[in-house]
Parts: sequence; C-alpha cells; structure tokens
Amino acid sequence: DAKTTQPPSMDCAEGRAANLPCNHSTISGNEYVYWYRQIHSQGPQYIIHGLKNNETNEMASLIITEDRKSSTLILPHATLRDTAVYYCIVYSGGSNYKLTFGKGTLLTVNP
Amino acid sequence: GAGVSQTPSNKVTEKGKYVELRCDPISGHTALYWYRQSLGQGPEFLIYFQGTGAADDSGLPNDRFFAVRPEGSVSTLKIQRTERGDSAVYLCASSPRRQGGELGQFFGPGTRLTVL
Repeated sequence: DAKTTQPPSMDCAEGRAANLPCNHSTISGNEYVYWYRQIHSQGPQYIIHGLKNNETNEMASLIITEDRKSSTLILPHATLRDTAVYYCIVYSGGSNYKLTFGKGTLLTVNP
Repeated sequence: GAGVSQTPSNKVTEKGKYVELRCDPISGHTALYWYRQSLGQGPEFLIYFQGTGAADDSGLPNDRFFAVRPEGSVSTLKIQRTERGDSAVYLCASSPRRQGGELGQFFGPGTRLTVL
C-alpha cells in the first residue's frame, strides 16, 4: 500500500470546519483513500473512504485531488467530541486486507 | 446492533505468564483481524482470519503469539511466556466480505495488556 504523510497535530475551534490534509503521492489506480479516527482509549472508527470522486456522509466530507496524490478530510462543524487521532490510510481492499496505520494527526478541538 | 467486543478490557500479568485475549466480532462478519497498538503509535497488523482459517499471520512477532477462531466467530489471541515488550493495547476488528466494495473494518475497544 502507498505511504501517507500527515501533520502530527492540528488545532481547531469548536464550531469551525476542521480540514485535515493527507499526502499519498505514490497511490495506485486501484487504491482507495480511507479515513479512520481514534478517540482516546477507544478502537479506531471508520469515517469515510473514496477512490476518485469527492465523498460526503453524515460524519465528514472527503476531497481527493484530481491527480489523487493528496486528500483532505473535512469535519464541517467540529465539536469537542471530535478531538481524536485521525488516520489517513491507502488501501486496495478486496484481497488486500491489512490496514497500515501511520501515526496520524492529533486533532484538538478547543472551546 | 452490538459492535465488536473484547475481553478483558484490562489484563495485568507477570513476565513469563500465559495470557488469552478474547474477541467477539459483529454477528455475520466472516473476516476478523488482530492489531497491536503501542503507546504513541498507530495500530499494527498481527493476523487475519477469513472464516476459521488464518489467511495471514505474517504480523505475529514471534512464535509466542498464536490465535485461533475455531467456529468462525469468536477468536482468541494467545501469548505464551509474556515479556514486558508485549505490553500494548490489542485491538480486534471484523468486517463483512463482499465483492466490489469495502465497508471498512469495525474495531473493538481493545484489551490493554500490561506485563510486569
């Protein structure tokens, strides 16, 4: 799986949008971009994934650049409960079942 | 519905002892994964089951680690002759299998293992 690069930490004010970047310049054509988050003392939680098109669900939006070399996870109205480590993972799924986690980005939402 | 559950939530043991960690996946999920997470790091893959068989155990650090899933649902991770370096959070995840898509893996809360 392609390697990802994320900033180690970010801060965001409560109620504002949190934009978390991820670089994955070596991504292959069949690889998806997945985002998970891990709230303190809990297991990782799936947020969203995409291949080429931008995606939105009830939790977040995922913007993937046209060349697919980077992406941004957007939490539109961050709350204190969104404070967590956010992991960007490139994953081909199917027969490739391993999730390879980096160190992620610690997002701290401040009141 | 019920998520992935893991027991115990915390386990403290002494160096050299044997421990078993249990994972109950989401009902109907045929794929099951174990990961290990050390302090300040992301989870690291240990082993993957598809049904009852271990399809990939390449992440197990050495032969002191073993995992089973005899009936294709509950899984047990077994660690023999524990060492202080085995101290970590052990995470279990499960997922349904379907062609043409991937819904992501569903993680349990983990078992925090401390080897004294």
